Amino acid sequence: GDSVTQMEGPVTLSEEAFLTINCTYTATGYPSLFWYVQYPGEGLQLLLKATKADDKGSNKGFEATYRKETTSFHLEKGSVQVSDSAVYFCALSDMNSGYSTLTFGKGTMLLVSP
Amino acid sequence: DAGVTQSPTHLIKTRGQQVTLRCSPKSGHDTVSWYQQALGQGPQFIFQYYEEEERQRGNFPDRFSGHQFPNYSSELNVNALLLGDSALYLCASSLGTTGGYNSPLHFGNGTRLTVT
Repeated sequence: GDSVTQMEGPVTLSEEAFLTINCTYTATGYPSLFWYVQYPGEGLQLLLKATKADDKGSNKGFEATYRKETTSFHLEKGSVQVSDSAVYFCALSDMNSGYSTLTFGKGTMLLVSP
Repeated sequence: DAGVTQSPTHLIKTRGQQVTLRCSPKSGHDTVSWYQQALGQGPQFIFQYYEEEERQRGNFPDRFSGHQFPNYSSELNVNALLLGDSALYLCASSLGTTGGYNSPLHFGNGTRLTVT
């Protein structure tokens, strides 16, 4: 079945540092890929998405490129802020089941200190 | 514009009891999906409701059941609660069962269920 593997956290960075959170996936067919963010006490918010190979999703300074050859969708940000501290989830959606049925990774906690 | 709202926010139940969680979708959305998020884990898909019917189901036992009302709101029921059912239950809404590029999932803040 489909699965998503993320790097384990927590990832601890100083403000303005470069961020990479690795994500790889296993899926049949050609899934769509997503990054969601969860702030403390809140639900998940869609951060960015990519629907086909070589697409780059971007939002709020975060970027991720759909790499079919390496089955990866790594999240990057050039300069993190304290307000970016949250848990980040990589997810995929099978085209057959639709975008509302997502398979999530376990999440990676990011802690940014001033 | 109200987003997805869930109630209650927290709930404590005893093993063997039954529980009902409620969800109102984002305005304009007609599809509701439920996810279970255990501590330190990613959300896992339970089931999805559209047009008052269960359209898709994840790998959860029949103790988990649901309902969707004509106004698109939804309930999640769990019978014979186990300790392992303790989790954050997330409701998400979307437009149509396949969502689509322009209709991603919108999540509520969840209901924290503790089973003792």
